[in-house]
Amino acid sequence: DAGITQSPRHKVTETGTPVTLRCHQTENHRYMYWYRQDPGHGLRLIHYSYGVKDTDKGEVSDGYSVSRSKTEDFLLTLESATSSQTSVYFCAISDTGYGYTFGSGTRLTVV
Amino acid sequence: QKEVEQNSGPLSVPEGAIASLNCTYSDRGSQSFFWYRQYSGKSPELIMSIYSNGDKEDGRFTAQLNKASQYVSLLIRDSQPSDSATYLCAVIGGKLIFGQGTELSVKP
Repeated sequence: DAGITQSPRHKVTETGTPVTLRCHQTENHRYMYWYRQDPGHGLRLIHYSYGVKDTDKGEVSDGYSVSRSKTEDFLLTLESATSSQTSVYFCAISDTGYGYTFGSGTRLTVV
Repeated sequence: QKEVEQNSGPLSVPEGAIASLNCTYSDRGSQSFFWYRQYSGKSPELIMSIYSNGDKEDGRFTAQLNKASQYVSLLIRDSQPSDSATYLCAVIGGKLIFGQGTELSVKP
């Protein structure tokens, strides 16, 4: 996925610990998004950003926070991880707010 | 009612056949529609976008939009085993909202 990198690719963490996922882009796109993907639910929007320090909630934002201090970085933090947050997390970027490019994903397991 | 609905499948077609994938949406104000393809274990990739009623063709892919019926479809002609993937319909309703995806299996 040229221009967009997610880290880590895999993570196992314990219930109750904070976790931060990173999305880094080199495309200078204005819009950045965090989605989670679960069987039976498809892709659901967690949070999104429309500029530096400008963020808003998506449909499943409870238990998550985000920060964007630079154009290229969008961080997703699970404040106190729970087993229900075990999922695959995708970051996406867009310059127009229309066609999105997705990162490779982070597989998070909360035990 | 879900905002974007797709049959989850799996949809199985023989190699060389036409695969037809369907999607309905609830927001009549939606203006932009997208089809993403996702291979197992990979990230979604954009394959088609459509903004006005009618058909839009790109190679073996045709997207069809009917705003009056709130219906979007994707046709894949001459289906190949490499087309086996999950196809996600997405609609701009302020933000991009995805359907659950339809799993397509093309049998040799």
